Amino acid sequence: KQEVTQIPAALSVPEGENLVLNCSFTDSAIYNLQWFRQDPGKGLTSLLLIQSSQREQTSGRLNASLDKSSGRSTLYIAASQPGDSATYLCAVRYGGATNKLIFGTGTLLAVQP
Amino acid sequence: NAGVMQNPRHLVRRRGQEARLRCSPMKGHSHVYWYRQLPEEGLKFMVYLQKENIIDESGMPKERFSAEFPKEGPSILRIQQVVRGDSAAYFCASSPGLAGVTDTQYFGPGTRLTVL
Repeated sequence: KQEVTQIPAALSVPEGENLVLNCSFTDSAIYNLQWFRQDPGKGLTSLLLIQSSQREQTSGRLNASLDKSSGRSTLYIAASQPGDSATYLCAVRYGGATNKLIFGTGTLLAVQP
Repeated sequence: NAGVMQNPRHLVRRRGQEARLRCSPMKGHSHVYWYRQLPEEGLKFMVYLQKENIIDESGMPKERFSAEFPKEGPSILRIQQVVRGDSAAYFCASSPGLAGVTDTQYFGPGTRLTVL
């Protein structure tokens, strides 16, 4: 069964800290992996997408890595800000005819000013 | 270029009524996906459609739920005879359907369904 797990479920850090969010997946035959941000009561904003052939992607203060062999991805946020407070979702797309994404349950991040 | 649009944003129904959720994909996108987010749970895939075709409905409940994406107009997710357990946020995503390259899904703001 293809499952995606995220730890921790919740994280609270003081402003300015660097932090790492973790995502693991059970089947390494992925097509790509995507990190999203979800604000309360809002939709999803795509942050980074890593293809299966890539090791990492960077955008501003965000860096996502992918290790297919171990079934893991991390999202690194540098110099966290209160505006980073949100739920971060990891989603995996597997190969095959379907394009569906399998989501983790998310990490709720609170950055304290 | 407007993003994925969903309406209504909030929908309240009484048990036994029908709910119709609409999704207009981004301009130029021919693929639509529906996901459901139950309270305190992650997003779960429901159905994947292309124009006039259902490609993958493996996540759809067997009864009361149906989806369509007609040649003209928005995609519709229809829930008949709603029950309280249908209360959730329903998200639509669209993608351009480009073969052989990253076919990124762009998400709409969601419709929050409350069943009384």
